[in-house]
Amino acid sequence: DTEVTQTPKHLVMGMTNKKSLKCEQHMGHRAMYWYKQKAKKPPELMFVYSYEKLSINESVPSRFSPECPNSSLLNLHLHALQPEDSALYLCASSLNTGGDEQYFGPGTRLTVT
Amino acid sequence: GEDVEQSLFLSVREGDSSVINCTYTDSSSTYLYWYKQEPGAGLQLLTYIFSNMDMKQDQRLTVLLNKKDKHLSLRIADTQTGDSAIYFCAEESQGNLIFGKGTKLSVKP
Repeated sequence: DTEVTQTPKHLVMGMTNKKSLKCEQHMGHRAMYWYKQKAKKPPELMFVYSYEKLSINESVPSRFSPECPNSSLLNLHLHALQPEDSALYLCASSLNTGGDEQYFGPGTRLTVT
Repeated sequence: GEDVEQSLFLSVREGDSSVINCTYTDSSSTYLYWYKQEPGAGLQLLTYIFSNMDMKQDQRLTVLLNKKDKHLSLRIADTQTGDSAIYFCAEESQGNLIFGKGTKLSVKP
């Protein structure tokens, strides 16, 4: 099983809303990632968790707040987003950090109005 | 910083072979990856190659690596309409993935 699941599939939110994106994997992977992908662009790394601890924050604005409640779950809490934050948000996991192959979820298509 | 370059478009006829090329800059990359993304979907890991290999074959997919020139290619044999997608090359750099801009493969019947 190499499946990473993400919910919701689509999300529309206003600039004053608070919402959360969820990601789950049951492959025993210890590294989990959030990426942002704009249309016709490659994914851009946002955060990396290793053994449930945040190891990389790629200078992401504080309106994005990641959380890793346990080794299988990764959340991304959203608050006071801007329209330019509309994008496909991809979660990925790998056995460990350090170059192990990453498996991606289907993504959440976020629209900020 | 590290950079990965790919041509943006490739068009082939069904049944032909497709070759997608990629150049990268980090000579210390341990792994190089190919991902496929269909419209509205996430990234699907197609294959990867370890940096000490020259070639890897997996069914219709053949990956060639020229480490001296930092050139990677993905060959898809007998290309089908279901292969139409964007293909991303990615190098592993200091534990993170650096993606190319993606090559959009169009397969004509």
